Amino acid sequence: EVQLVEFGGDLVQPGGSLRLSCVASGFSFSSYSMNWIRQAPGKGLEWISYISTTSTTIYYADSVRGRFTISRDNAQNSLYLQMNSLRAEDTAVYYCARDRKSSGWYFDQWGQGNLVTVSS
Amino acid sequence: QSVLTQPPSVSGAPGQRVTISCTGSSSNIGAGYDVHWYRQLPGTAPQLLIYINNIRPSGVPDRFSGSKSGTSASLAISGLQAEDVADYYCQSYDSTLSGSVFGGGTRLTVL
Repeated sequence: EVQLVEFGGDLVQPGGSLRLSCVASGFSFSSYSMNWIRQAPGKGLEWISYISTTSTTIYYADSVRGRFTISRDNAQNSLYLQMNSLRAEDTAVYYCARDRKSSGWYFDQWGQGNLVTVSS
Repeated sequence: QSVLTQPPSVSGAPGQRVTISCTGSSSNIGAGYDVHWYRQLPGTAPQLLIYINNIRPSGVPDRFSGSKSGTSASLAISGLQAEDVADYYCQSYDSTLSGSVFGGGTRLTVL
């Protein structure tokens, strides 16, 4: 069974930092590119970052570029999101998601989500 | 403001058919990029419902169908059931933004 489990969500002050982790199981993690997607409370979905299988290609949404860093460790079947200079508007449930290629890509497996709250 | 535009809500009676529209532009759907749909039940993570415009993953009933034309796409749900109550999101790729984009989501109510 494919599983994605996120860790690391917490309450953090504005300007602070946090690192999210996503541990994968049930599939060959190193064969799939991965993504982070977030959902602010009561709001819709927002894609924020993509990383290719070997970390050679990385994309960010404008809203997080320069503040967030995506990375992965294929030996540990893990995906990470380092979040710096956090703002109140970064408050959201963060999902890791496996993608499949089409023209673009789609997300066929999602984690359960992890809440990050940015507040003083 | 989402890059893809969806109606905030739709509703229908049990057994009826509803459609949810997803309108994009020349840098995403209109450029030929595929459209995908997700269903999010209350308090849970989104799940893939339709991929590459009109393909259902294993386990998704054929009451759900997708289509795409020009700069828009649609999700149709026939034979509405109470269990279909959820938020539905469309998603595509945008060449100007160099990333995935989602619609704002549509809440389905079964009357």
